[in-house]
Amino acid sequence: LAKTTQPISMDSYEGQEVNITCSHNNIATNDYITWYQQFPSQGPRFIIQGYKTKVTNEVASLFIPADRKSSTLSLPRVSLSDTAVYYCLVGDGDSNYQLIWGAGTKLIIKP
Amino acid sequence: NAGVTQTPKFQVLKTGQSMTLQCAQDMNHEYMSWYRQDPGMGLRLIHYSVGAGITDQGEVPNGYNVSRSTTEDFPLRLLSAAPSQTSVYFCASFRLGQNYGYTFGSGTRLTVV
Repeated sequence: LAKTTQPISMDSYEGQEVNITCSHNNIATNDYITWYQQFPSQGPRFIIQGYKTKVTNEVASLFIPADRKSSTLSLPRVSLSDTAVYYCLVGDGDSNYQLIWGAGTKLIIKP
Repeated sequence: NAGVTQTPKFQVLKTGQSMTLQCAQDMNHEYMSWYRQDPGMGLRLIHYSVGAGITDQGEVPNGYNVSRSTTEDFPLRLLSAAPSQTSVYFCASFRLGQNYGYTFGSGTRLTVV
């Protein structure tokens, strides 16, 4: 089971771009990389998923280098409402259902 | 479309009591799971199911039972509550063969005194 390493916390300011990097040195060939967002007293919410290169949706971008041993979640022009905990997970989605959730990165956005 | 519905939202139990946390989804997702989340920590998998009649243990299954008689429902039973089971419990589901885009319920905050 691939484990991930993320910074425990980060802070930034409204309007800035925020990049959160996740390390996953033991990622397997079939593993995808998925990011979730969690607000206090709520369940995590799916943000974005990718396998390689770059993925972009209406919320974020995900950058994955060729060796796939790390990934970077990019949040453009953050607002106060982006203050949350962000989790990076890796898994193959087919035969391995036991994803390992780390403590995530607590992102605090300041005015 | 309600997504994943968990009940109750809050519960206080005395040590030794039993109870069932309910989870229902209306998205026809094959996979359902239960997690617990302790303060400042990530989620830990308790039990999961890949379809009706099929369940398996996760990382922290002791003290919990599950069953999956229908696709929609996946109840979690606490057999004899202990203070160490004080936590927030989340139910999650997703469609097999696609991706790890879990849909989570809003959680049940359980306190065992």
